[in-house]
Amino acid sequence: NAGVTQTPKFRILKIGQSMTLQCAQDMNHNYMYWYRQDPGMGLKLIYYSVGAGITDKGEVPNGYNVSRSTTEDFPLRLELAAPSQTSVYFCASTEVENEKLFFGSGTQLSVL
Amino acid sequence: GENVEQHPSTLSVQEGDSAVIKCTYSDSASNYFPWYKQELGKRPQLIIDIRSNVGEKKDQRIAVTLNKTAKHFSLHITETQPEDSAVYFCAASITGGGNKLTFGTGTQLKVEL
Repeated sequence: NAGVTQTPKFRILKIGQSMTLQCAQDMNHNYMYWYRQDPGMGLKLIYYSVGAGITDKGEVPNGYNVSRSTTEDFPLRLELAAPSQTSVYFCASTEVENEKLFFGSGTQLSVL
Repeated sequence: GENVEQHPSTLSVQEGDSAVIKCTYSDSASNYFPWYKQELGKRPQLIIDIRSNVGEKKDQRIAVTLNKTAKHFSLHITETQPEDSAVYFCAASITGGGNKLTFGTGTQLKVEL
């Protein structure tokens, strides 16, 4: 098992550009999440999904969109990138509620 | 929504000493409290968790205690070692809420030789 795979690992965007952060898991987990981590801060939930075709907003969803067309994939879309979106993004998944989250290796994004 | 506060933000201990990190939560319905360790440049990894039906859980050198009345839970690391140096995050969630964890702001633990 590869676990949770995120791509790319690093990316620099110009203000106003768009991009998609990819996340895939091969553990057949129903629950998937996108978190952002700013320096010196905890992880804040952007969007989550409890299964294919179902997504919902987390704590900080503005400026982002997600889709969940398959159990395996949960891409995060940034439209019109802004400097405030400079952060490290983590995708995570879990099989059932209130169990261990498996995190991807993260994407470091800079918007300049 | 849930709010989790974590203290201290930094903690420096001598090797072999104990370390204690404390968290408080606001939503009395929260019933799952994990602790994650994040080494520099790495992904967070679960080290221990506790559910609201128990007051304490131990795993070798680490333990977690929960006080539901005070809405307070703590991580205890005994006999600290240099490899314990990392950022530790507490979190809380509610069953039925999609496992949406609310994280604390983290504690940078440094174990000095």
